[in-house]
Amino acid sequence: AQKVTQAQTEISVVEKEDVTLDCVYETRDTTYYLFWYKQPPSGELVFLIRRNSFDEQNEISGRYSWNFQKSTSSFNFTITASQVVDSAVYFCALSEASGSRLTFGEGTQLTVNP
Amino acid sequence: NAGVTQTPKFRILKIGQSMTLQCTQDMNHNYMYWYRQDPGMGLKLIYYSVGAGITDKGEVPNGYNVSRSTTEDFPLRLELAAPSQTSVYFCASSYSKQGAQPQHFGDGTRLSIL
Repeated sequence: AQKVTQAQTEISVVEKEDVTLDCVYETRDTTYYLFWYKQPPSGELVFLIRRNSFDEQNEISGRYSWNFQKSTSSFNFTITASQVVDSAVYFCALSEASGSRLTFGEGTQLTVNP
Repeated sequence: NAGVTQTPKFRILKIGQSMTLQCTQDMNHNYMYWYRQDPGMGLKLIYYSVGAGITDKGEVPNGYNVSRSTTEDFPLRLELAAPSQTSVYFCASSYSKQGAQPQHFGDGTRLSIL
């Protein structure tokens, strides 16, 4: 069975601080995909990134970066120089290539204060 | 581009009533999904479909039914509404199997059963 754990329920930072959201996953498959989604206060889900299990290169997109480490089964998400607009719930999710399910973590509520 | 459209956005039901949550997508995606999101929790898969005429149960299917008569539409039916079904419901679609492509989500339907 697959599982995603986001141990940080809530994080509060001051604008311009860097913040890292942790994600740890469990799976028996050797081929799988990891995702991050953002859910702003308006409620919609916004896709941020997809990473497959064979690509451990870290990725940077503007102020966002992702650190994928298979050795520790982690896929952490860092926001550099956070802004108030980054305030949202962030979900990490896992899909096994052999199945049809996307398993979500319980989310991390990030609040960026001015 | 409309993407994934869900109706209604909000609904209040009495215990025992029935209703259908509508979902339609205009991206010609084969795969469609229904999730529920309880307060402070991640999303859980209710049902999914890999194409017209084909549906399968997800993690929490009890109390729900689905049908997929066309590629575009994937309605979710609640036959006997119960307070435990109070939740936010998200419909999603993807071009191919979970993981290979990210899912596109609708804006959600907030449902309260009283």
